[in-house]
Amino acid sequence: KQEVTQIPAALSVPEGENLVLNCSFTDSAIYNLQWFRQDPGKGLTSLLLIQSSQREQTSGRLNASLDKSSGRSTLYIAASQPGDSATYLCAVRPESSASKIIFGSGTRLSIRP
Amino acid sequence: EAGVTQFPSHSVIEKGQTVTLRCDPISGHDNLYWYRRVMGKEIKFLLHFVKESKQDESGMPNNRFLAERTGGTYSTLKVQPAELEDSGVYFCASSQVGDYGEKLFFGSGTQLSVL
Repeated sequence: KQEVTQIPAALSVPEGENLVLNCSFTDSAIYNLQWFRQDPGKGLTSLLLIQSSQREQTSGRLNASLDKSSGRSTLYIAASQPGDSATYLCAVRPESSASKIIFGSGTRLSIRP
Repeated sequence: EAGVTQFPSHSVIEKGQTVTLRCDPISGHDNLYWYRRVMGKEIKFLLHFVKESKQDESGMPNNRFLAERTGGTYSTLKVQPAELEDSGVYFCASSQVGDYGEKLFFGSGTQLSVL
């Protein structure tokens, strides 16, 4: 059974720092991995989608990596800003049941001005 | 281009009542998904439509939940009768038909409170 774990559950850093959010999954048989952002009271916004054949994806100050064999992904945020404060969710689409994606519980990020 | 739209944004009902949630996917998206997050838990899959057909409904908790997508456009999720444990945020997502590399687009969710 696929399980997705995100560490840490919460993180608070001063503005301007570079930071890394971690995601691990137990079954490497996945189609892809997606990072989402959720603001309070809002829906999920897709940040980056990494296919199983890819190693990383970049968008602006965000870089996501995928090491499928070890079941790990990281989301790197460069030069953090207060507007980056949100909950970040990692989700994998398993090959065993491709209709569903499996979410982690998220990392609640707070950037202090 | 309009995103995924969900109605209502909030719903407060009493135990035993019926509630119907609606989702309008992005135009042209054949895949439509329902997910939910109950208090303190991860977001969990409920079901997946491809056009009007249910592709996978293995995540539906019990027969009090009924999802429909008539005509392959918008979808409704009805809970009848609602129980306290049904409280949570119900998300809808859509994507284009294709391989499973497609990106999911989520709506803002419906916050359901059953009292």
